[in-house]
Amino acid sequence: DAGVTQSPTHLIKTRGQHVTLRCSPISGHKSVSWYQQVLGQGPQFIFQYYEKEERGRGNFPDRFSARQFPNYSSELNVNALLLGDSALYLCASSLSRGQGSNEQYFGPGTRLTVT
Amino acid sequence: GNSVTQMEGPVTLSEEAFLTINCTYTATGYPSLFWYVQYPGEGLQLLLKATKADDKGSNKGFEATYRKETTSFHLEKGSVQVSDSAVYFCALSGVFRSNYQLIWGAGTKLIIKP
Repeated sequence: DAGVTQSPTHLIKTRGQHVTLRCSPISGHKSVSWYQQVLGQGPQFIFQYYEKEERGRGNFPDRFSARQFPNYSSELNVNALLLGDSALYLCASSLSRGQGSNEQYFGPGTRLTVT
Repeated sequence: GNSVTQMEGPVTLSEEAFLTINCTYTATGYPSLFWYVQYPGEGLQLLLKATKADDKGSNKGFEATYRKETTSFHLEKGSVQVSDSAVYFCALSGVFRSNYQLIWGAGTKLIIKP
């Protein structure tokens, strides 16, 4: 079975632009989470979606938004890009909301560079 | 608040050496604890986990024991290989107001020399 897939792999944008990142979860997984990983740091939680509804949100500005589609794939949108948004954006899927054990499977990430 | 603290890297060892990477946590409630590994150019992979106190997670020769009394989850391996070179992340989940997200340490880069 295919793992979590993300597209694109790499992306270069300029300040003020908008970007859309895409994620397809493992087949049968209904939950998708998004994380931002700045170089040299651990991932920071952005959003979790389960059954197409937002179930959790991290400490990120409203420029960040996401949605989940009926096939459980997901998009992360970032508006008005800043230089500080340059990072690796990771998508993770899990079978359920995962209370407690919350075993998540990660995609390879999208490397976003803002110039 | 909830947080994870890992030992700073890089940690440089010779092949076949014993490895310990320290991880301590602060959390309300009873979190689950994880170690993830990120090999160069690859995504994060779950290495092992423990869901309650005194549980021992193990995989690929790595072990970690959930110590509630010391709020620790140190990663150990008896004999490391060059192929173990990667960045290792300790994480927790399942705590109040953070039930569905993973809270991460900053990562520890491990370099194994032949």
